[in-house]
Amino acid sequence: EAGVAQSPRYKIIEKRQSVAFWCNPISGHATLYWYQQILGQGPKLLIQFQNNGVVDDSQLPKDRFSAERLKGVDSTLKIQPAKLEDSAVYLCASSLESTGAEKLFFGSGTQLSVL
Amino acid sequence: RKEVEQDPGPFNVPEGATVAFNCTYSNSASQSFFWYRQDCRKEPKLLMSVYSSGNEDGRFTAQLNRASQYISLLIRDSKLSDSATYLCVVETGGFKTIFGAGTRLFVKA
Repeated sequence: EAGVAQSPRYKIIEKRQSVAFWCNPISGHATLYWYQQILGQGPKLLIQFQNNGVVDDSQLPKDRFSAERLKGVDSTLKIQPAKLEDSAVYLCASSLESTGAEKLFFGSGTQLSVL
Repeated sequence: RKEVEQDPGPFNVPEGATVAFNCTYSNSASQSFFWYRQDCRKEPKLLMSVYSSGNEDGRFTAQLNRASQYISLLIRDSKLSDSATYLCVVETGGFKTIFGAGTRLFVKA
């Protein structure tokens, strides 16, 4: 079974630039999550999709972050403009609709460095 | 107060030692609880679920105390390969998942 695919693996940008991350969840997984993990901290949920609808985006800085999940499959997360404090690993995860965190599968993440 | 709190450690223990981690949560309506493991520069992976009756998987034992709103993870006979960060995960209705900041464990020879 293919896992959660994310790209790019690494990204280095300067502050005020824009950046986009892509995620392809495991086939059949209705729930997709984007997490931000700053070094030394646990993953922080940014946004959770159920199919292509947003379940929770309460911690998404909406003035600069946006995310979409077209057709309930792939998802993109965008930051515009980036700030120094956005340097982190951005993890995408997916799960079956009925299992939640019991069967949460993560991608390898995108490590973002904002200079 | 954070929704999920963990002692960040690090815990430095010798091989063969027993070590325990606690995690407290603030939302009494939380429904499901898990321990995830994260190796350095890797993604988190499910270690085990935490059931009301407790859960044991080999050298690992997880317990839940709803009255005091904490979960625990006990590792017996620690191995070098157990060195990792252990993340406590709490799930509320609608599969909203909240991760703790993690507890770092270093097992030394």
